[in-house]
Amino acid sequence: NAGVTQTPKFQVLKTGQSMTLQCAQDMNHEYMSWYRQDPGMGLRLIHYSVGAGITDQGEVPNGYNVSRSTTEDFPLRLLSAAPSQTSVYFCASAPLGGAYEQYFGPGTRLTVT
Amino acid sequence: SQQGEEDPQALSIQEGENATMNCSYKTSINNLQWYRQNSGRGLVHLILIRSNEREKHSGRLRVTLDTSKKSSSLLITASRAADTASYFCATHSSGGGADGLTFGKGTHLIIQP
Repeated sequence: NAGVTQTPKFQVLKTGQSMTLQCAQDMNHEYMSWYRQDPGMGLRLIHYSVGAGITDQGEVPNGYNVSRSTTEDFPLRLLSAAPSQTSVYFCASAPLGGAYEQYFGPGTRLTVT
Repeated sequence: SQQGEEDPQALSIQEGENATMNCSYKTSINNLQWYRQNSGRGLVHLILIRSNEREKHSGRLRVTLDTSKKSSSLLITASRAADTASYFCATHSSGGGADGLTFGKGTHLIIQP
């Protein structure tokens, strides 16, 4: 099993550009989530999904969209990138829900200039 | 908002010594989890302790939970150079809201050879 995979590993955007961060898992987990990690900070929850077709907002959802058309994929879209969105983004999945052990991807380092 | 706060922010010890990290949180929880993050990598789950448990062991790890004080500690015994990493506590709230984890800012542990 590859576990949780994320692409790209690195990305540089200009202010106002849009892009999609990809996340996929091959463990048949119902729950998937996106977090951002800023320097000296812990992770903060952006959006999460408890199954295909179901998404919900986390702590810091503004400026981001998600969709969940399949169990495997959970892309994160930046609609109009801003310098404040410079961060490292982690995707995670869990078999039973957000309360359980989460499996993290390797992260995408995004810089917005 | 950060639910968990780890203490100390940084810890440097000699190989073979024990390392203790503490975590405090603010709201009622379902469980508390500890994760490890090596530099530039994703997070790896270490251990989960439920709100009705007081102590849990996994190999060289020992976790305690005191819900009356809203605090937890992670003890790593007989430390090794490979234990050098950042350690995060994360809580799952029992008070409703977003179904995800709330992370602290982490303790950066350095094991000196």
